[in-house]
Amino acid sequence: AQSVAQPEDQVNVAEGNPLTVKCTYSVSGNPYLFWYVQYPNRGLQFLLKYITGDNLVKGSYGFEAEFNKSQTSFHLKKPSALVSDSALYFCAVRDMNSGNTPLVFGKGTRLSVIA
Amino acid sequence: EPEVTQTPSHQVTQMGQEVILRCVPISNHLYFYWYRQILGQKVEFLVSFYNNEISEKSEIFDDQFSVERPDGSNFTLKIRSTKLEDSAMYFCASSEGQGPYGYTFGSGTRLTVV
Repeated sequence: AQSVAQPEDQVNVAEGNPLTVKCTYSVSGNPYLFWYVQYPNRGLQFLLKYITGDNLVKGSYGFEAEFNKSQTSFHLKKPSALVSDSALYFCAVRDMNSGNTPLVFGKGTRLSVIA
Repeated sequence: EPEVTQTPSHQVTQMGQEVILRCVPISNHLYFYWYRQILGQKVEFLVSFYNNEISEKSEIFDDQFSVERPDGSNFTLKIRSTKLEDSAMYFCASSEGQGPYGYTFGSGTRLTVV
């Protein structure tokens, strides 16, 4: 079975400071990992994904994420937060060997960037 | 940029009534999904659809739920007899392949059962 944990319900950060949104995963094989963002009353928008190769993945809006196999983590980061980054962030995983098993999402982390 | 389109954006229905939620996936995508989200919380998988049949479904997707691709463009979710606990945001998504492909989500249908 595959699962995702986002240990923080809420992350607060001051504008201009670096932000981290945490994600850990569990799969039987190797993972495909994704981050999505949801703004109020909107659908989920793709930010970035890890497939293979370089552990540091860069995505939309200046976000990046680092894959750490030993810690089974895929934390989302941004060097300097903007107020407009305030949203709900979801980590998702799929086992590489699972065929078309659907993406499994974490429960989400609400990011609040304070001016 | 191609979009997944969902209609209606908001649906209010009486308990026990049937509802049909509609989705137009991206035209060259082959895999289709329904997820739901209750009160802005966890995004829960309902069903996946490929080659005109259900490929996987969750325990939430019981006999009250069905999906259909009636023509070459639409993908629908039907709830036969709605319950209060079916109130949620329902998201349609599509992807062009398996494995490393992510999903493109629609903006959702907010279903309110009264």
